[in-house]
Amino acid sequence: DTGVSQDPRHKITKRGQNVTFRCDPISEHNRLYWYRQTLGQGPEFLTYFQNEAQLEKSRLLSDRFSAERPKGSFSTLEIQRTEQGDSAMYLCASSLAGAGEQFFGPGTRLTVL
Amino acid sequence: AQKITQTQPGMFVQEKEAVTLDCTYDTSDQSYGLFWYKQPSSGEMIFLIYQGSYDEQNATEGRYSLNFQKARKSANLVISASQLGDSAMYFCAMREQPGNTGKLIFGQGTTLQVKP
Repeated sequence: DTGVSQDPRHKITKRGQNVTFRCDPISEHNRLYWYRQTLGQGPEFLTYFQNEAQLEKSRLLSDRFSAERPKGSFSTLEIQRTEQGDSAMYLCASSLAGAGEQFFGPGTRLTVL
Repeated sequence: AQKITQTQPGMFVQEKEAVTLDCTYDTSDQSYGLFWYKQPSSGEMIFLIYQGSYDEQNATEGRYSLNFQKARKSANLVISASQLGDSAMYFCAMREQPGNTGKLIFGQGTTLQVKP
């Protein structure tokens, strides 16, 4: 399968715990995006990488959030000291720079109790 | 600031009929891209169709077509011959100029239910 993959698909955690999500983009795609989607809303941009460089972060991304793409391939999104408001679907997408559509992964659904 | 508006929270359509999902956008850019994505209950965002701001013809992909009216800043999705599997959430999105980040700005979505 050459699509975007995300792991885990579901995560339940207690408030105050740290969580980490992984995204594996389509192999030849140099751009990688993270979005957050709450129930009944459209996805909202969080951050984006071109190769290994993180080039933009949304104001939604508080200092409890950190993302990396160390070798320009897979990416991780870590949330420290989770809060109930962090409960959402976290979507990863990849694309070629300057190209058309972004291809999305299946998402990681986070529930913070 | 760029903005996408989808004013129809929910729509019903009879199987085999056509349906139009509305999308209006706001941008000061001359170069932009418009997208439609489908999100079934499984959660994955599935790309349907793309329209560039300089494309003179409306985009079509199988049963999907995009009714692009640049002066009105609208990019409505038309689904012909609806099928039960078309029941899902549909999102309209806009991409900034290609030279920038390429991040997508999404609307609130429209839930489509196809009735047998």
